[in-house]
Amino acid sequence: ETGVTQTPRHLVMGMTNKKSLKCEQHLGHNAMYWYKQSAKKPLELMFVYNFKEQTENNSVPSRFSPECPNSSHLFLHLHTLQPEDSALYLCASSRGYEQYFGPGTRLTVT
Amino acid sequence: KNEVEQSPQNLTAQEGEFITINCSYSVGISALHWLQQHPGGGIVSLFMLSSGKKKHGRLIATINIQEKHSSLHITASHPRDSAVYICAVRSRSNYQLIWGAGTKLIIKP
Repeated sequence: ETGVTQTPRHLVMGMTNKKSLKCEQHLGHNAMYWYKQSAKKPLELMFVYNFKEQTENNSVPSRFSPECPNSSHLFLHLHTLQPEDSALYLCASSRGYEQYFGPGTRLTVT
Repeated sequence: KNEVEQSPQNLTAQEGEFITINCSYSVGISALHWLQQHPGGGIVSLFMLSSGKKKHGRLIATINIQEKHSSLHITASHPRDSAVYICAVRSRSNYQLIWGAGTKLIIKP
């Protein structure tokens, strides 16, 4: 257990659905991150929040919409996704340089 | 070409063997991280190093800054070491993490 939880762990959704991924950390960290991990590819940083403010958006399509209501919670809202968006979505948090990862949400878009 | 390259991509070995996983990078860095990802997804940090060598149990990480190369060694490997091992470097210019694609290690009993 790293202190970072993610729900759901698995999600199957159609291309017209709207769903949300949730991440929660109880470590008192100020920064939270969303990553996408596709098979045999390096992790792709999607979004970074620092003290609830978005500090990074790595050219992520608008069908992914992050929300950070407070420094302990992070959401990723999904709508009209494409099959190529199927991947493992990882949340992480940090205070300094070391990031703590959640277990990820395995997303399948049909 | 990715700025962080790991080799091999896949490695299968017998229990007890000495394992070496390599990471080469092409940018100036302030630190290098080794992480472990078990089936099921979660990623755990193993080492963060900026010079020399670190040891934790059966794991040893080394870095050669001049050659821009790091190695992760596992001594007396065990099936529970089976996982994906990921190298990531923190860029000295913008402090971003740059990730390798990972090395999938399988240790057979």
